[in-house]
Amino acid sequence: SAVISQKPSRDICQRGTSLTIQCQVDSQVTMMFWYRQQPGQSLTLIATANQGSEATYESGFVIDKFPISRPNLTFSTLTVSNMSPEDSSIYLCSVRDSPYEQYFGPGTRLTVT
Amino acid sequence: KQEVTQIPAALSVPEGENLVLNCSFTDSAIYNLQWFRQDPGKGLTSLLLIQSSQREQTSGRLNASLDKSSGRSTLYIAASQPGDSATYLCAVGGGGNKLTFGTGTQLKVEL
Repeated sequence: SAVISQKPSRDICQRGTSLTIQCQVDSQVTMMFWYRQQPGQSLTLIATANQGSEATYESGFVIDKFPISRPNLTFSTLTVSNMSPEDSSIYLCSVRDSPYEQYFGPGTRLTVT
Repeated sequence: KQEVTQIPAALSVPEGENLVLNCSFTDSAIYNLQWFRQDPGKGLTSLLLIQSSQREQTSGRLNASLDKSSGRSTLYIAASQPGDSATYLCAVGGGGNKLTFGTGTQLKVEL
């Protein structure tokens, strides 16, 4: 199974600023995803990070707010832009192994004040 | 649109009890179903993956079953221990590489 690390593990940010979250995987993976877990809620898929091309966003999420980079098969970043208190969530990086088992990183707990 | 529901939302049991967590989904056209465990403030740990062609999977004290036609899965935990206390999430894999998550069951196993 893939081992996933995320940085930072947590952060407290001011309204209007941006935060970039890093995700590193210990092996090359084809499929990499970013999820959000709002307080008391389950997980919602933000986007699929595609290596060498633009990310594929789910309904309700846009590139201007959540730009994603994926320069290679082991690394991705998610930026939360122009933050508001509603962006306070846990953000999780995830990868898909074969056959279709999915693994998650430890998450980044973001608080926006 | 796939919807996943988990019942109960919370459960408290004494140590040693066998228990069943339930997951139901509205669209039976799934590729797989995965059970996860989430400890407070932490990420998700994969417990069991059931492919759409399978009926059940077992790992240690855990057994998960899948009935696609009725849109249901159960996670059976035998001889529960305090270390099993966590939130258990069911996630259904469908088209477009997407996992749809349930709302979770918060389990507390008491000494």
